[in-house]
Amino acid sequence: DAKTTQPNSMESNEEEPVHLPCNHSTISGTDYIHWYRQLPSQGPEYVIHGLTSNVNNRMASLAIAEDRKSSTLILHRATLRDAAVYYCIPLNYGQNFVFGPGTRLSVLP
Amino acid sequence: DGGITQSPKYLFRKEGQNVTLSCEQNLNHDAMYWYRQDPGQGLRLIYYSQIVNDFQKGDIAEGYSVSREKKESFPLTVTSAQKNPTAFYLCASSMDTKYQETQYFGPGTRLLVL
Repeated sequence: DAKTTQPNSMESNEEEPVHLPCNHSTISGTDYIHWYRQLPSQGPEYVIHGLTSNVNNRMASLAIAEDRKSSTLILHRATLRDAAVYYCIPLNYGQNFVFGPGTRLSVLP
Repeated sequence: DGGITQSPKYLFRKEGQNVTLSCEQNLNHDAMYWYRQDPGQGLRLIYYSQIVNDFQKGDIAEGYSVSREKKESFPLTVTSAQKNPTAFYLCASSMDTKYQETQYFGPGTRLLVL
């Protein structure tokens, strides 16, 4: 399994963009990069995933480095509801998800 | 609405007692999972099931047991052999386990030891 490194915590102001980094230098060529988030006292929820190209959906954008050793989850305009723990999870075929400690994002009004 | 339900929301266990946590899904998913989360930590996989009547141990299966008699249901029993059961328990499901399918999580059950 690829090892990941994420900041323990980050802060953002409301309505500003947030860039959440993830280092996964041991990722294999066929690992997809998944991002989930967990709101307080709730189960995690899917955010986005990708392989090589940058990806966009209604929640966020995922920017993947050309060498795939790192990725960045981008929230374009943070809201108070985006305050959560964000998990970066490289994953290959047949593997189980591994949810590490993640990054705790605080959003300031 | 389709989704995953877990009950109860809070559960109290006495010393030496077995307790069972319920997990039901109406998403028609084949795969189901149980995770444990301790305060400030990530999630650890307890058991998972790819199909009815089949399940596999995860990373921390000792002191837990599961059954998968119906596609919709995957109950978790915390036995008296689990010496430190206080934690937040999360159930999830996905279409299958092999193709990196999105996992959908329930709201969780918080287990406390009296």
